[in-house]
Amino acid sequence: AQTIHQWPVAEIKAVGSPLSLGCTIKGKSSPNLYWYWQATGGTLQQLFYSITVGQVESVVQLNLSASRPKDDQFILSTEKLLLSHSGFYLCAWSLPWGSSYEQYFGPGTRLTVL
Amino acid sequence: GQQVQQSPASLVLQEGENAELQCNFSSTATRLQWFYQHPGGRLVSLFYNPSGTKHTGRLTSTTVTNERRSSLHISSSQTTDSGTYFCAIGIMNYNQGKLIFGQGTKLSIKP
Repeated sequence: AQTIHQWPVAEIKAVGSPLSLGCTIKGKSSPNLYWYWQATGGTLQQLFYSITVGQVESVVQLNLSASRPKDDQFILSTEKLLLSHSGFYLCAWSLPWGSSYEQYFGPGTRLTVL
Repeated sequence: GQQVQQSPASLVLQEGENAELQCNFSSTATRLQWFYQHPGGRLVSLFYNPSGTKHTGRLTSTTVTNERRSSLHISSSQTTDSGTYFCAIGIMNYNQGKLIFGQGTKLSIKP
């Protein structure tokens, strides 16, 4: 069975500090991967997606970047945090498009920027 | 304008009552998924249902694509059903994995 793990579970960071969030998928080969962001009490917004190692597409510009260094790993980062980056970050996966479009989400990372 | 509208925004019921959640969307959706978000944040897929009716346990999802609407019915609600329910659509474009989420329906079930 496939599992999706996100780290860290929660972070409290200062404005202007760097950030790196991670996501790992186990039990599924070559999944499509996604990063979503949710403001407190708000809806979800897709930030990035990746259909293969080394390739990441940006959906929304939020002064964040993403990378996919391995088939099963997706990283979200920034060199300088803003207050507006606070919220809940969720990683998701799906099978390759055309096979299935259903998305499955990880447990999320809660980020507080002070 | 908002592409996915969910109603009601919030709903309070007594345990045992049925819940009906609505999702209307403004674009031609080729994909539709219902999610449940636990109070702690975890998002769980309930249904992938771009058209037709699907059942699982006490949950039923019905999507009428040409009328651009979907519903989620919860029968005999339980306190553990409390949380936020999201509807999300995918539209036909280059990013076939993009889901556009509604604002959610916050459901509270009282014992």
